Amino acid sequence: QSVLTQPPSVSGAPGQRVTISCTGSSSNIGAGYDVHWYQQLPGTAPKLLIYGNSNRPSGVPDRFSGSKSGTSASLAISGLQAEDEADYYCQSYDSSLSLVVFGGGTKLTVL
Amino acid sequence: EVQLVESGGGLVQPGRSLRLSCAASGFTFDDYAMHWVRQAPGKGLEWVSGISWNSGSIGYADSVKGRFTISRDNAKNSLYLQMNSLRAEDTALYYCARGSGSGYVGSFDYWGQGTLVTVSS
Repeated sequence: QSVLTQPPSVSGAPGQRVTISCTGSSSNIGAGYDVHWYQQLPGTAPKLLIYGNSNRPSGVPDRFSGSKSGTSASLAISGLQAEDEADYYCQSYDSSLSLVVFGGGTKLTVL
Repeated sequence: EVQLVESGGGLVQPGRSLRLSCAASGFTFDDYAMHWVRQAPGKGLEWVSGISWNSGSIGYADSVKGRFTISRDNAKNSLYLQMNSLRAEDTALYYCARGSGSGYVGSFDYWGQGTLVTVSS
């Protein structure tokens, strides 16, 4: 059971917008620690998608956006494309556990 | 170009030891924290351990505390993970990842391709 909770799966048609939630608590996201998002395409290593809640590394399309509010964060993907089909993970830090924590991951299916 | 290349994985019996290495290049190694993250077959990501730029701050997941030891050699641009008393549940692909800053709280901005550790008799 992960400290950060994500839905196991989401889906959407090409061109649509989907969001993936990441719910934490007062000792991680709610304590002000940043949330980061990773994309893992099938058979590949994870790739940093969003850092510091809402910042995109160079090369990441602006179709990907992140936000944070209270004890939760969200990743939004607009203009869905077939190549967005992947697993997505949120990550933060938990001060009560003194650990880096990941969400359980969300599998995005493009219909 | 930032490169992280893991090595040292393999098949090992329960209770035995293994040492993973990560060779870094393309950046100033001692400016950054480094981490090990693992992924069991068909499962999600699990942070294993992290070490700050000067080894002054080190952290471990509860699942490996007391059995695994992370270290780094800044002169050799290398990160290590000494894994003792291995268990079947340690079977996973182990990734080396660069922290975004010198301390180990932050994002992981570059990842290696991973080295597979299989614990089985």
